[in-house]
Amino acid sequence: EIVLTQSPGTLSLSPGERATLSCRASQSVSSSQLAWYQQKPGQAPRLLIYGASSRATGIADRFSGSGTGTDFTLTISGLEPEDFAVYYCQQYGRPPPSRTFGQGTKVEIK
Amino acid sequence: EVQLVESGGGSVQPGGSLRLSCAASEFTFSNYAMGWVRQAPGKGLDWVSIITGSGGTTYYADSVKGRFTISRDNSKNTLYVQMNSLRAEDTAVYYCAKLTANGWYYPFDIWGQGTMVTVSS
Repeated sequence: EIVLTQSPGTLSLSPGERATLSCRASQSVSSSQLAWYQQKPGQAPRLLIYGASSRATGIADRFSGSGTGTDFTLTISGLEPEDFAVYYCQQYGRPPPSRTFGQGTKVEIK
Repeated sequence: EVQLVESGGGSVQPGGSLRLSCAASEFTFSNYAMGWVRQAPGKGLDWVSIITGSGGTTYYADSVKGRFTISRDNSKNTLYVQMNSLRAEDTAVYYCAKLTANGWYYPFDIWGQGTMVTVSS
């Protein structure tokens, strides 16, 4: 099974700063079938990025995804107050039942 | 507005059963695969099960295979999961989620608000 390792565990930044989140897979992710989700406390996750680099409907363009193979990155170009949350990556490119999430990166206010 | 609303959560003893439901609205339900994802208290996300649009194909995480059964009623726009032989480690918020298309190789784009399941004696 593919293991997704996210780093860092916690990112402490100020509003306006750039956030760079990493997701590393233990095996290559097929066709860049990797997604990023945002989750705020007490809320359901929200899809931000799919296909490694495509923004989901309604997602601000300060969110961007990149990467292929085993190394993927979510970048938030200038943090807004509402962006402080936990971010998860997920691969969906392997045959069932492999459909793993990373352990999450918390972006907190410095 | 596309919406998913879960119900059926609660407290149950180990070994017990529970059925969760998820009512979908404002999209053509039968055109999309649907799934369940859970989150233990203070922990990350774990996918549980996925079902294709017709209900003809189902997928399960190894942790629930043989104990959980996913199903759907397209005439009622409702997704279900029957959870049997529940264990303490099944304690979690269970989210209903829509995939972006009808198949396995797609992400979840719409999520419900979640329903809490607590397994404890």
